[in-house]
Amino acid sequence: DIQMTQSPSSLSASVGDRVTITCRASQSISSNLNWYHQKPGKAPKLLIYTAFSLQSGVPSRFSGSGSGTDFTLTISSLQPEDFATYYCQQTYSVPSTFGQGTKLEIK
Amino acid sequence: EVQLVESGGGLVQPGGSLRLSCEASGFTFNTYEMNWVRQAPGKGLEWVSYIGGSGITLYADSVQGRFTISRDNGKNSLYLQMNSLRVEDTAVYYCARGLTGDGDTCDYWGQGTLVTVSS
Repeated sequence: DIQMTQSPSSLSASVGDRVTITCRASQSISSNLNWYHQKPGKAPKLLIYTAFSLQSGVPSRFSGSGSGTDFTLTISSLQPEDFATYYCQQTYSVPSTFGQGTKLEIK
Repeated sequence: EVQLVESGGGLVQPGGSLRLSCEASGFTFNTYEMNWVRQAPGKGLEWVSYIGGSGITLYADSVQGRFTISRDNGKNSLYLQMNSLRVEDTAVYYCARGLTGDGDTCDYWGQGTLVTVSS
């Protein structure tokens, strides 16, 4: 199975900050990488698919980049509603696997 | 509006069985691939199973041979039959729609149903 490793595991930031979360795959996954966020007690929400495509309805402050094994999610200016746990997911091979999550907290 | 509503979760003893259901609305169900994804308490996300529109199925190794995914397109419903349940199967189970063109990518999720396996 392909292992997905996110860093950092947790992050404290302030409203308005620019934040970057990284995700590394244990082998090349081309651009088959998605990003989700999840708020406590809620279902995950798709933000970015195929590494850089913004899901419909997601604010443009979210962006994704990368290919192969290294990927990043950037939030250009944090808003209060962005504090959540973020997960990457590879869909290059079965089984699809998720990163362990990055908890983004208010500083 | 796309809606996915899971049901069927609950408390079951180790070795027992449970059948989860997911009722879909707001889209043409039979044209979409569907997934089950679970999340153990306080843990991350784990993909469990996938079913294509034509009925092809895939499973995580951890549930292979114990869980069966199925769908009834006439009822706009997705199911997960879970047998030989283990304590480690305790989790919130989410039904999720596959993104067109990449069915493992989950673009809409239900609210989840909690399965607790305990004696």
